[in-house]
Amino acid sequence: KAGVTQTPRYLIKTRGQQVTLSCSPISGHRSVSWYQQTPGQGLQFLFEYFSETQRNKGNFPGRFSGRQFSNSRSEMNVSTLELGDSALYLCASILGGNANTGELFFGEGSRLTVL
Amino acid sequence: GENVEQHPSTLSVQEGDSAVIKCTYSDSASNYFPWYKQELGKGPQLIIDIRSNVGEKKDQRIAVTLNKTAKHFSLHITETQPEDSAVYFCAATPYSSASKIIFGSGTRLSIRP
Repeated sequence: KAGVTQTPRYLIKTRGQQVTLSCSPISGHRSVSWYQQTPGQGLQFLFEYFSETQRNKGNFPGRFSGRQFSNSRSEMNVSTLELGDSALYLCASILGGNANTGELFFGEGSRLTVL
Repeated sequence: GENVEQHPSTLSVQEGDSAVIKCTYSDSASNYFPWYKQELGKGPQLIIDIRSNVGEKKDQRIAVTLNKTAKHFSLHITETQPEDSAVYFCAATPYSSASKIIFGSGTRLSIRP
């Protein structure tokens, strides 16, 4: 059974640019969450999608957005990149409808560097 | 909203000794507390979890305890081995937003040979 797949794995952008990251959840998983991981802030919740609807959003500016498609694949977009957006972006999927119904399965992440 | 604090941030133990990582949470309505292990270059992976109706749970060398009154929970690893070296995250799911998990800041565990 394939795991959570994130693309691209690594990317370098410059300030002001925008970036789109992709996440394919485990087959059958309908909930997809996104997290930003930085050395100083740990794992910060960005947003969560279920059946193409955003159900929860963390405390990030509007430059961070996402969406989910009918096949449960998800994308997140960051516009007008800032140096502080450099981070590992992790996607996770879960079989159940809520995070407290079981295990979150994480991808290996997309490492974004903003120059 | 929910806040999870985790201590210590780094921990070094001798191989074979025990390691303990502690977390506190703020939302008394949280009811699910997972622990994740992240190895270098990989995403976090669930190693054990506990629900609010249980006080302790064990899985081989790993155990988790939960004190709902004090709002804290701990991870215990016994007979540590080199492969236990990783970053460990505790987490809590707030009842008010059951579809998101709030993570602690992580503990970097190093096992000395």
